[in-house]
Amino acid sequence: KNQVEQSPQSLIILEGKNCTLQCNYTVSPFSNLRWYKQDTGRGPVSLTIMTFSENTKSNGRYTATLDADTKQSSLHITASQLSDSASYICVVWLTGGGNKLTFGTGTQLKVEL
Amino acid sequence: NAGVTQTPKFQVLKTGQSMTLQCAQDMNHEYMSWYRQDPGMGLRLIHYSVGAGITDQGEVPNGYNVSRSTTEDFPLRLLSAAPSQTSVYFCASSTTGNEQFFGPGTRLTVL
Repeated sequence: KNQVEQSPQSLIILEGKNCTLQCNYTVSPFSNLRWYKQDTGRGPVSLTIMTFSENTKSNGRYTATLDADTKQSSLHITASQLSDSASYICVVWLTGGGNKLTFGTGTQLKVEL
Repeated sequence: NAGVTQTPKFQVLKTGQSMTLQCAQDMNHEYMSWYRQDPGMGLRLIHYSVGAGITDQGEVPNGYNVSRSTTEDFPLRLLSAAPSQTSVYFCASSTTGNEQFFGPGTRLTVL
């Protein structure tokens, strides 16, 4: 069972609409939680990084939230654009040194006219 | 800055062949990593390095070797390619605990 679960697996929305992607994790303790955007055929690009003590972090139209008590994070996209079509990946960086990132399988978002 | 570069972009191998995937970064990052990405699975760590001369195994290291002779370069070697190694490979670099920068990926097919 993946320790970082994302939902939904895929999502189609109309341009201009908002959407929220979910991430539930079971791994702990962690240093930070990250959201990445991966365009088709490209490498992931970081959107936000939140430490354990942060509740929210914004990057333009992207806002990530973190509830460490329930082990849930969400990524809210406001006023979606066609260029938002991509896979969005939730990643947890574990404490303990090394380079221990646990990746979710991603939510595939498609924005249509 | 070029960021993280990977070569080649595409490669087709026959079972049993060996090859090296190249990765270079020009940001003076101490951390470098190799991941593979397969359909329906999250990125999985193959090997990583916390600095020149230091490497360690990740989640799926079997069949792969790495070395880190310089800060800039972190090549990944496939010793004897198998169809199970068909995947997209990403190299990434970062400073400790900070944002990871990923390369554009190498799409490998093993026949």
